[in-house]
Amino acid sequence: AQRVTQPEKLLSVFKGAPVELKCNYSYSGSPELFWYVQYSRQRLQLLLRHISRESIKGFTADLNKGETSFHLKKPFAQEEDSAMYYCALSKSFGGAQKLVFGQGTRLTINP
Amino acid sequence: GAGVSQTPSNKVTEKGKYVELRCDPISGHTALYWYRQSLGQGPEFLIYFQGTGAADDSGLPNDRFFAVRPEGSVSTLKIQRTERGDSAVYLCASSLYPGSNSPLHFGNGTRLTVT
Repeated sequence: AQRVTQPEKLLSVFKGAPVELKCNYSYSGSPELFWYVQYSRQRLQLLLRHISRESIKGFTADLNKGETSFHLKKPFAQEEDSAMYYCALSKSFGGAQKLVFGQGTRLTINP
Repeated sequence: GAGVSQTPSNKVTEKGKYVELRCDPISGHTALYWYRQSLGQGPEFLIYFQGTGAADDSGLPNDRFFAVRPEGSVSTLKIQRTERGDSAVYLCASSLYPGSNSPLHFGNGTRLTVT
């Protein structure tokens, strides 16, 4: 069965420090992976997709098929990065977005 | 422009009652999804519409749950004989077309509490 694991429910770092939010997945096919973010009092929104290989708001994520991981990284955290982050997997590569989400990590950036 | 709109934002109902949750997607979006998010969990897929038809309803937990999208726009999620375990935030999302090149736009959700 497909599964997404985010081992840290809470993560707290200081402003300017590097951030890494961990995500591991279990899927036998070719997954498509995403990071979604929910800022305080806002809607859940897409942050980035692995296939785009882009940097959004300074965040990057690399798909490591050997380690079945898709960790989210940012070299220098900013206070506005405080939010809830969800890693998600699509079982249908390029198709309908029937996503499997992890439990989420609440990131707090301390001033 | 207007995003995905969900009404009501909060719904409290008694066990055994029937509820309807409404979703207004972004105009022109053909794909519509319902997810459910229980406390402390990530969203869980329920059902996906492409146009008027339910293309995939494999996430619906049982036959008390049903959803429609009769004109390919507004969708209604219907829950019969509600149970306390149905308490959750029900999220609707839409996208211009189904593929992952078209980002999902989520609504604010309806928080359902079954007492």
